[in-house]
Amino acid sequence: GDSVTQMEGPVTLSEEAFLTINCTYTATGYPSLFWYVQYPGEGLQLLLKATKADDKGSNKGFEATYRKETTSFHLEKGSVQVSDSAVYFCALSARGAGNQFYFGTGTSLTVIP
Amino acid sequence: DVKVTQSSRYLVKRTGEKVFLECVQDMDHENMFWYRQDPGLGLRLIYFSYDVKMKEKGDIPEGYSVSREKKERFSLILESASTNQTSMYLCASTSPGLASRGAYEQYFGPGTRLTVT
Repeated sequence: GDSVTQMEGPVTLSEEAFLTINCTYTATGYPSLFWYVQYPGEGLQLLLKATKADDKGSNKGFEATYRKETTSFHLEKGSVQVSDSAVYFCALSARGAGNQFYFGTGTSLTVIP
Repeated sequence: DVKVTQSSRYLVKRTGEKVFLECVQDMDHENMFWYRQDPGLGLRLIYFSYDVKMKEKGDIPEGYSVSREKKERFSLILESASTNQTSMYLCASTSPGLASRGAYEQYFGPGTRLTVT
């Protein structure tokens, strides 16, 4: 079945460091891919998405490229800030599946000044 | 601005009680979902609904039921709460995806942290 495997955390970085959170997926067909962010005490918010191969999603300095050949959607940011401290979830939704989502287990990021 | 609201942020119930968690969305979305979130396990789908009065089991439906009498409201029911149902419960809604455009994002409520003692 469809699934997402996400890099385990927690991840701790210094401010202005480079961030990569790995995400790979298994899916039949052509899924859409998403990164969500969850700040403490809140629900999930969409960070970025990509709906087809080679698409790059970007938002707030974060980027991820939909790589069909490696079935990956790694999240990157060139210079993290303390305010980026949160839990990040990779997710996929297979087309025609009623928009059912499959989430990774989440990666906790802490950025220290 | 899409809004998904959940009836309580924090809830404490006793074992054996019947518990209702309510979720309301204001964007006329067809699809609604209930997840539970536990450390190290991510989000697990409990139930979802494609339309009024329709429901489908997710990955972990045991011990739960749902109700969708109106399009904007999706309720999660714990018939007899148990301590292993202590968790964060998240509701989400979305429109159906389009084959030509891919899936739409799911919009999440703030969550209800339920403690069963």
